[in-house]
Amino acid sequence: AQSVTQLGSHVSVSEGALVLLRCNYSSSVPPYLFWYVQYPNQGLQLLLKYTSAATLVKGINGFEAEFKKSETSFHLTKPSAHMSDAAEYFCAVSDRGSGGYQKVTFGTGTKLQVIP
Amino acid sequence: ETGVTQSPTHLIKTRGQQVTLRCSSQSGHNTVSWYQQALGQGPQFIFQYYREEENGRGNFPPRFSGLQFPNYSSELNVNALELDDSALYLCASSLSQGYQETQYFGPGTRLLVL
Repeated sequence: AQSVTQLGSHVSVSEGALVLLRCNYSSSVPPYLFWYVQYPNQGLQLLLKYTSAATLVKGINGFEAEFKKSETSFHLTKPSAHMSDAAEYFCAVSDRGSGGYQKVTFGTGTKLQVIP
Repeated sequence: ETGVTQSPTHLIKTRGQQVTLRCSSQSGHNTVSWYQQALGQGPQFIFQYYREEENGRGNFPPRFSGLQFPNYSSELNVNALELDDSALYLCASSLSQGYQETQYFGPGTRLLVL
């Protein structure tokens, strides 16, 4: 069964500092991996998606993530945090459910606080 | 903007009542998934509809049911509401049911059960 583990339910960084949000996955098939961001009282917005084309994936708002098969990780990074990055971030893995449907499993989320 | 809309934005019901939540998918998307997101949790998969048929379900009881219509809209129905049903309900549409697809989320409906 597929699963996602996000280490750290809360992460605080200073404005301008490196952002690192950790995600480890397990999947029985080559995974498709996603990072979504959720601002307060809103839905989920796609940041980036790993599809096996390249191990380093660039997303919106300056975020990127590196797929490391040997470590089963897909950590999200941004070189310099902005105040507007304060939100909750979800890592997700997509698999094929029985019957062929798309089964997406989300992590429990990491709340990012940016300190001025 | 994802092009996925949901209504209503907020809803208050009492225990035992029934509720219908609505979603309008992106044009051309034949797959819709529904998720429940409790406070402080990640979204939990309820079910998926593909071409108007339910083709996958998570660990939710039968009182959670749905419909998908040809015009890219869908519904989530919950009968016999319980206090634990209080959550943000998200729908997500995708181009197909393939597991490589990106799901595009609506803003959600926040349901409070008293």
